Amino acid sequence: EAGVVQSPRYKIIEKKQPVAFWCNPISGHNTLYWYLQNLGQGPELLIRYENEEAVDDSQLPKDRFSAERLKGVDSTLKIQPAELGDSAVYLCASSTGQGTANEQFFGPGTRLTVL
Amino acid sequence: AQSVTQPDIHITVSEGASLELRCNYSYGATPYLFWYVQSPGQGLQLLLKYFSGDTLVQGIKGFEAEFKRSQSSFNLRKPSVHWSDAAEYFCAVGAWGTDKLIFGTGTRLQVFP
Repeated sequence: EAGVVQSPRYKIIEKKQPVAFWCNPISGHNTLYWYLQNLGQGPELLIRYENEEAVDDSQLPKDRFSAERLKGVDSTLKIQPAELGDSAVYLCASSTGQGTANEQFFGPGTRLTVL
Repeated sequence: AQSVTQPDIHITVSEGASLELRCNYSYGATPYLFWYVQSPGQGLQLLLKYFSGDTLVQGIKGFEAEFKRSQSSFNLRKPSVHWSDAAEYFCAVGAWGTDKLIFGTGTRLQVFP
């Protein structure tokens, strides 16, 4: 069974440019998460989806970040415009939902470098 | 508010030696506790989790962790470390019903032959 797929794996852009990350969760997983992982830190939740609905986006900087999960399957996270401080790894995870008891399966992440 | 502290940023051990990685949490009720491992360029993989019951939890790859409520700790242990265990280890706490995990800052494990 395929795991969580993310693309691209690496992205280098100049500041003020837009960037988008894509995530395809494990088949059948209704819950999808986007995390931000800064260097030397643990992941921090940006947004959580239950099917198509964003049920927790309180940590998403909405002035420049946006996300969507059309049709409740794959998801896109966008930054526009990117800033130097956005350089980090963006992780996507999925689970079958139903609360914290379910394991979150993580993708390999997208490493973003903003110059 | 929930929080997780991993006091050791970097630990170095010799292959075959025992290992203990520390994790302390702050949470008002009984927490859900997790240990994840992250190899370079890889996503996080769940090693083990504690929800209730037996306070000594067995996980994959020969790891175990013990929940100690009196010390607010959930330390990860392995009796004999292999070179392939070199990675970053994250402790996380979850709140019942929220589906949200709070991660610690991680401990980087280096294994010498």
